Amino acid sequence: SAVISQKPSRDICQRGTSLTIQCQVDSQVTMMFWYRQQPGQSLTLIATANQGSEATYESGFVIDKFPISRPNLTFSTLTVSNMSPEDSSIYLCSVGEVNYGYTFGSGTRLTVV
Amino acid sequence: AQKITQTQPGMFVQEKEAVTLDCTYDTSDQSYGLFWYKQPSSGEMIFLIYQGSYDEQNATEGRYSLNFQKARKSANLVISASQLGDSAMYFCAMRERGTSGTYKYIFGTGTRLKVLA
Repeated sequence: SAVISQKPSRDICQRGTSLTIQCQVDSQVTMMFWYRQQPGQSLTLIATANQGSEATYESGFVIDKFPISRPNLTFSTLTVSNMSPEDSSIYLCSVGEVNYGYTFGSGTRLTVV
Repeated sequence: AQKITQTQPGMFVQEKEAVTLDCTYDTSDQSYGLFWYKQPSSGEMIFLIYQGSYDEQNATEGRYSLNFQKARKSANLVISASQLGDSAMYFCAMRERGTSGTYKYIFGTGTRLKVLA
């Protein structure tokens, strides 16, 4: 299975600022997925990122707030823009095969103050 | 309607005992996949086991087995011989096809398991 390096592992940010999270995969993958896990909650899919095309966002998530880049088949970034305390969450990227378990990055624990 | 239901917010089990974590699901798809993940306090998500909707046998992976009852739409995780390192949050997930045609996961709310020495 793929190995994902996700950075940063955690950060504390001031409200109104933006943070870019990076995920590097050790193999080429078609799709990468970005999830948010709010405190004490389950995972919610933010968007699916395909290489060479715009990301597909789930209901409740918009590109202006969570812009995603996917410049090649091994790398993606998620930016959390104009942050507020409500954005405090764990953000995870993942890749995988449809019929097998997805591999997740180690997560970025974001606290907005 | 909630698609993945985990009714046990927290569970305790004695070390070396077996424990069952419940998961029920709802889907109209004929082809779907069911997964279990473990999330330790460090936050990473660890894949444990997969069950396809057409698989006739229950999936097993070491100490993990999935009790798949299709008619009841349940996919319970059984952990045998619990170890202290099994203490974590456990999520049941279902793969479904989204409106854009892309497969995606739906996660349950999780069960926090505590293994007692």
